Amino acid sequence: DTAVSQTPKYLVTQMGNDKSIKCEQNLGHDTMYWYKQDSKKFLKIMFSYNNKELIINETVPNRFSPKSPDKAHLNLHINSLELGDSAVYFCATEREKGQYNEQFFGPGTRLTVL
Amino acid sequence: AQSVTQLDSQVPVFEEAPVELRCNYSSSVSVYLFWYVQYPNQGLQLLLKYLSGSTLVESINGFEAEFNKSQTSFHLRKPSVHISDTAEYFCAVSDGNNFNKFYFGSGTKLNVKP
Repeated sequence: DTAVSQTPKYLVTQMGNDKSIKCEQNLGHDTMYWYKQDSKKFLKIMFSYNNKELIINETVPNRFSPKSPDKAHLNLHINSLELGDSAVYFCATEREKGQYNEQFFGPGTRLTVL
Repeated sequence: AQSVTQLDSQVPVFEEAPVELRCNYSSSVSVYLFWYVQYPNQGLQLLLKYLSGSTLVESINGFEAEFNKSQTSFHLRKPSVHISDTAEYFCAVSDGNNFNKFYFGSGTKLNVKP
């Protein structure tokens, strides 16, 4: 069974569109994250979500919004897509907030904005 | 604020040769240190981590890293690499006071040649 899954794996879309990336975990972890990995492989944390507490990296544009319908899901919604949004987006989970456990990553979603 | 520096963007090495991937961090608080590996077209996987105790930590596939507080380093080493070790390696720091944030380095591409 896949611990952290993301759909879709690839997403190609036009500028200005609105799109969502889904993340699901079956680990029962309390904390979930979204990361953006740019073309230079640099990883940047975008959001962390724990028990309905959302912590936002202040550098993330408000066109990006995470939505958690339940504890096992943290979806990423992006409005008005821009060329610079092209990247690989990773979802990750952590067992318990503050316990410094490892983060488990999903396989990534490669977003290409044309 | 934290930062993580991986000085080498690429490290080419021949099979069975030793390798060291460098990682330095800057922090004014206690930190927790991690190495993640990303194989082509896959998500990140934890390789090893330092939380406390012995400053030398090992992974199951022969990698080791040593936490050096005075030099603020956490270099990754392997005495003899295999072709299958070809991947991108990321050093990461977790802030002891802000555990919802992981800070990643820019990554080092290890290219093992036959």
